[in-house]
Amino acid sequence: DAGVIQSPRHEVTEMGQEVTLRCKPISGHDYLFWYRQTMMRGLELLIYFNNNVPIDDSGMPEDRFSAKMPNASFSTLKIQPSEPRDSAVYFCASSFRPEAFFGQGTRLTVV
Amino acid sequence: ELKVEQNPLFLSMQEGKNYTIYCNYSTTSDRLYWYRQDPGKSLESLFVLLSNGAVKQEGRLMASLDTKARLSTLHITAAVHDLSATYFCAVSPADSNYQLIWGAGTKLIIKP
Repeated sequence: DAGVIQSPRHEVTEMGQEVTLRCKPISGHDYLFWYRQTMMRGLELLIYFNNNVPIDDSGMPEDRFSAKMPNASFSTLKIQPSEPRDSAVYFCASSFRPEAFFGQGTRLTVV
Repeated sequence: ELKVEQNPLFLSMQEGKNYTIYCNYSTTSDRLYWYRQDPGKSLESLFVLLSNGAVKQEGRLMASLDTKARLSTLHITAAVHDLSATYFCAVSPADSNYQLIWGAGTKLIIKP
């Protein structure tokens, strides 16, 4: 398996634009996690899914953030509209218990 | 509030020395994880500790778990430069459905 695949690896966008981050989990994994990492706040869990169903989205910072998992092999994290404070590295991770495997991350810069 | 505290948060050491990173947590759990992150890279799973007294070793790294003390340690033996990275511990609370609560990370710099 190629591991967790995220795209794009880097994204630079202007404030106010919509940003969509994509994730393909490891086949057979039933948990999928979206994290955000910044120097100031460290690693933050945004939302996680179990069997494609959102379980806990309490970490999603605002209504500007939304996440979907339409099937077991694909998830998206959307920010609309984007703001400079959303600049961070966004990681997707998947798990079949007990440990989570991380993708390479998407480095988002909002200018 | 669930907390996972690592210390130290920053450690600079010479090659060849031994040191220990500590991870304390505030909730009942018997599942603890150690990850490594190199600058600009993703997080790599190092150890999964699933029971009280669990000890795992890989090369110069050894991790242990004491669930009664709510403490895990990551011991580095005869450090080498290649071990320079940030190390995270994460805890899965007993009632969490495998959600992970993360420590802040320990940035380890090993000087030649």
